[in-house]
Amino acid sequence: SQQGEEDPQALSIQEGENATMNCSYKTSINNLQWYRQNSGRGLVHLILIRSNEREKHSGRLRVTLDTSKKSSSLLITASRAADTASYFCATDRTQGGSEKLVFGKGTKLTVNP
Amino acid sequence: EPEVTQTPSHQVTQMGQEVILRCVPISNHLYFYWYRQILGQKVEFLVSFYNNEISEKSEIFDDQFSVERPDGSNFTLKIRSTKLEDSAMYFCASRFELQGIAKNIQYFGAGTRLSVL
Repeated sequence: SQQGEEDPQALSIQEGENATMNCSYKTSINNLQWYRQNSGRGLVHLILIRSNEREKHSGRLRVTLDTSKKSSSLLITASRAADTASYFCATDRTQGGSEKLVFGKGTKLTVNP
Repeated sequence: EPEVTQTPSHQVTQMGQEVILRCVPISNHLYFYWYRQILGQKVEFLVSFYNNEISEKSEIFDDQFSVERPDGSNFTLKIRSTKLEDSAMYFCASRFELQGIAKNIQYFGAGTRLSVL
């Protein structure tokens, strides 16, 4: 089954605006994380929210998790041109200690100066 | 700050050739992973490795793939006979599990872009 489907697929905003990205998943999870990927580069961990948490903040990032709807959102406030990147949600479930991450297709965010 | 390093950054090979992708995970990490990302698609799990053995592998990770931790620092992914469809970005990741704390933050390398011609 597919996990971590983000929407929108692409988002273009002006510097200073807020950017909201959503992620849905299908199965029960332990954690949901958001990662960022600059073009052609590796994945950088942004924030992790556990299944028993509803909201988490880190700097300009705010993540919410609704396990009843199996969805999460990532809000970036006061966006900057440097926030331009692809953002992926990733979920994990305990499976014999492997805890592989299952990624969505990502949202490509463009912040215009 | 410690980081996961991968070499080479770009590998070009002919179909049917063997390739070895190398990774140096963060030194005190215990769990190691390989993922791949075909251009324009999602990041897909290939294999996880713990305590010198594979703990889980995906359907993609068939007999053509193998992993090894030959010494205390390197973690390698070998593809025995590359196919055109193996062209992708391959990411290595590692994590450190703190006893009693259920976190699964995986730290990724910058990736190796594999081009099979």
